[in-house]
Amino acid sequence: SQQGEEDPQALSIQEGENATMNCSYKTSINNLQWYRQNSGRGLVHLILIRSNEREKHSGRLRVTLDTSKKSSSLLITASRAADTASYFCATDGGGFKTIFGAGTRLFVKA
Amino acid sequence: GAVVSQHPSWVICKSGTSVKIECRSLDFQATTMFWYRQFPKQSLMLMATSNEGSKATYEQGVEKDKFLINHASLTLSTLTVTSAHPEDSSFYICSAPGGGRSYEQYFGPGTRLTVT
Repeated sequence: SQQGEEDPQALSIQEGENATMNCSYKTSINNLQWYRQNSGRGLVHLILIRSNEREKHSGRLRVTLDTSKKSSSLLITASRAADTASYFCATDGGGFKTIFGAGTRLFVKA
Repeated sequence: GAVVSQHPSWVICKSGTSVKIECRSLDFQATTMFWYRQFPKQSLMLMATSNEGSKATYEQGVEKDKFLINHASLTLSTLTVTSAHPEDSSFYICSAPGGGRSYEQYFGPGTRLTVT
């Protein structure tokens, strides 16, 4: 069963703008991860944030985690057309299981 | 970094036939692997946990007799879709944990199955 819900389901922005995607989950977690998937392709791991962390950066990516609200956000700054993809949050479902959210489809217009 | 491969990358089969998909960890050992299914424009749904040397654990609603999983070695898990039907057409993705204290999963590139 899916753990997380993401919003928006779809997001269309202009190149250079920032894109923010949100994820909510239901149960306690050890960590939360964000993945990217280009259409019809495999997953690319973007960033992992542990439950005791509140914010993490990686290049143009900024992830926040609020365990009290059971939510996370992914911010992509200065977006590029190449950032067009689906983005998924994923939480640990016990052991090493990874449970995915519904995903946000991002379209960056050049 | 760790690499997981899948074979084939895409397959077309006729309804009623069986299809085997392989998932390999290329440069690390994986006692556990996971199989996901993804329908178009949807998220990944966990199907089952493949355990080396023992039976797979299936998620609720997944038919174990239809989706046979064999984890015969520390680097190979196979998923066999038996008596495939058009509704089984999907993107199948496997993953393996990176090991140690890391919860990072390494995902295969996926296998697109089309049942005609």
